[in-house]
Amino acid sequence: GAVVSQHPSRVICKSGTSVKIECRSLDFQATTMFWYRQFPKQSLMLMATSNEGSKATYEQGVEKDKFLINHASLTLSTLTVTSAHPEDSSFYICSATGLFDYNEQFFGPGTRLTVL
Amino acid sequence: GQNIDQPTEMTATEGAIVQINCTYQTSGFNGLFWYQQHAGEAPTFLSYNVLDGLEEKGRFSSFLSRSKGYSYLLLKELQMKDSASYLCASMDSNYQLIWGAGTKLIIKP
Repeated sequence: GAVVSQHPSRVICKSGTSVKIECRSLDFQATTMFWYRQFPKQSLMLMATSNEGSKATYEQGVEKDKFLINHASLTLSTLTVTSAHPEDSSFYICSATGLFDYNEQFFGPGTRLTVL
Repeated sequence: GQNIDQPTEMTATEGAIVQINCTYQTSGFNGLFWYQQHAGEAPTFLSYNVLDGLEEKGRFSSFLSRSKGYSYLLLKELQMKDSASYLCASMDSNYQLIWGAGTKLIIKP
């Protein structure tokens, strides 16, 4: 149980376009979803935390107008990278927590974004 | 400030035992997590400690000392598939995970 899916797994786009990434909890209701970014050989960097039906809480240095997060339901959160630039190329990973014994985060498989 | 320290890289031999250490300083503490991450993949959960002591789960064990702000992950009977990065993460008072940079474990035959 506790499976999180992410779509797409890989995307290549032109500079200036917008890209939407979906994160779904498949077999549980996610009380909170997290969006991370990971550059090669670096650790996970938390971008934002979102709860269903409320605005996301962004980490310092993350532009909320550039990285739009919508958490429309207890099983779906989306991250839209607006006007993407090559420096936005990274591995984007979502995770979700539910009503489990402890606050374990279940991770999606990640989305590899390449902006040309 | 909040800080997680773990070695950048370790090398071990197939069949041997390796211990990956982690020290943490976070605002409040709600548990210590270890995750495994293979290259190009998302992290997968290995263990969770919130009380002092050793938690054993098959070939993997995790230890916590809250007074020392210290944890370790112990891997026994190493297999080639254990080659991965191992991420230590402390959960702070806001239930947010503070991540270490990860330890890349290289297993040699």
